[in-house]
Amino acid sequence: GAGVSQSPRYKVAKRGQDVALRCDPISGHVSLFWYQQALGQGPEFLTYFQNEAQLDKSGLPSDRFFAERPEGSVSTLKIQRTQQEDSAVYLCASSLGVGGAFFGQGTRLTVV
Amino acid sequence: DAKTTQPPSMDCAEGRAANLPCNHSTISGNEYVYWYRQIHSQGPQYIIHGLKNNETNEMASLIITEDRKSSTLILPHATLRDTAVYYCIVIDYNTDKLIFGTGTRLQVFP
Repeated sequence: GAGVSQSPRYKVAKRGQDVALRCDPISGHVSLFWYQQALGQGPEFLTYFQNEAQLDKSGLPSDRFFAERPEGSVSTLKIQRTQQEDSAVYLCASSLGVGGAFFGQGTRLTVV
Repeated sequence: DAKTTQPPSMDCAEGRAANLPCNHSTISGNEYVYWYRQIHSQGPQYIIHGLKNNETNEMASLIITEDRKSSTLILPHATLRDTAVYYCIVIDYNTDKLIFGTGTRLQVFP
C-alpha cells in the first residue's frame, strides 16, 4: 500500500490477556519503529528494526513486551499478560533508513 | 531525553502566518532538525527537515539560525486544519530514531 498500515485500529483486552499488534510498513523501507503514546503525551520510543534485525529495544517497558520482524517486512508487537497501564496508542513507523520516518494511524489498546 | 525545547501552546488566526519556535542549543554537527505534527487521533506526519540552510516545501518553511541553536517552523497561511501538536526533533541523520518531546499545541482560530 501507499502508507504504513496498522491493525487492528482498536483493541480492547481484558487484564491478563495477550495481544498482538501488526504493522505493515511501506514497501522497501528497511527501518521500522514502534512507539507507545499515552493520552496527552508525545510518542515514546519502544524498539527499532533494520530489516529483520532488532537493533534497539531499549524502550520496551518490561519483558512482557516483545517485537519481531522475521522477514524484514511486517512486524508484530506482542504484549503478554496485559495490564491497565499498557492502555495507550501504539504507533508504527517506517523509513528508508535516513531522511525521516512515516507513521501509521496507530492501534488504540484499552485494557479493562 | 528530547534535545529540544518548545512552548507548550500557541494560537494563530486563520490566514495568518504561524511561527513555531524551537530551541536546540546542544545540537551537534551531524544532527538534523526535523518537524512533525500530529493531528488528533492520527499518527505523526512528517513536515520538513534541515541541517543548516533554510528549507521550504509545499507545507512549510524551516528557518535555522546561523549557530543552529534554534529554529522556527513557519506555516505561511494557517488554516483550521493546521490545528495540531507540532514536534521539533533533533536526530543523527544516520539513525533516524525519533525522540519526541512534548511539542507545541497550535490552535488555529477563525
